[in-house]
Amino acid sequence: DTGVSQDPRHKITKRGQNVTFRCDPISEHNRLYWYRQTLGQGPEFLTYFQNEAQLEKSRLLSDRFSAERPKGSFSTLEIQRTEQGDSAMYLCASSLESLNTEAFFGQGTRLTVV
Amino acid sequence: RKEVEQDPGPFNVPEGATVAFNCTYSNSASQSFFWYRQDCRKEPKLLMSVYSSGNEDGRFTAQLNRASQYISLLIRDSKLSDSATYLCVVNIKGGGNKLTFGTGTQLKVEL
Repeated sequence: DTGVSQDPRHKITKRGQNVTFRCDPISEHNRLYWYRQTLGQGPEFLTYFQNEAQLEKSRLLSDRFSAERPKGSFSTLEIQRTEQGDSAMYLCASSLESLNTEAFFGQGTRLTVV
Repeated sequence: RKEVEQDPGPFNVPEGATVAFNCTYSNSASQSFFWYRQDCRKEPKLLMSVYSSGNEDGRFTAQLNRASQYISLLIRDSKLSDSATYLCVVNIKGGGNKLTFGTGTQLKVEL
């Protein structure tokens, strides 16, 4: 399978715990995006990378969230001290560097904070 | 005001009907436009790009009106399998080149 893969697919955690998600993009894609989606809403931008550089981070993103893409390949998204409001689907997407190019999404990691 | 606005629906239509969705965007620097489809509990997938001259792909037609800053999607001869959420997506040059999504419009095609 050469698509975008995310791990884990589901995560249940207790409030206050830290969680980390992984995304493996399509290998030749230099852009990688993280989005969050809640029920009835469209995906909300969190951050994006071009190669290993994190070029933008949403102003809405709490400092409990951090993302890395150390070698310009896979990326991790960490949420520290999780809160119930963090419960959502976390989607990763990758694309080539172009305004008109398609972004391919992974199947997402569904986080439930209890 | 949201950057990309859509009527959330749901639009309930009979099989074979023609249905149209509109989407408005607020940033005049928007440069690329797309419609994505998202099935329940699945990831979004590109349905079609939207070009200035308008474009058609089978039963689907997309239009762009830059002056009024809106995008439309027309689906002809609706099929049951068209039932999904349709996401309007905008890419703003200089805005980090990130894709900005609307809330999505839910379509239900019924027998």
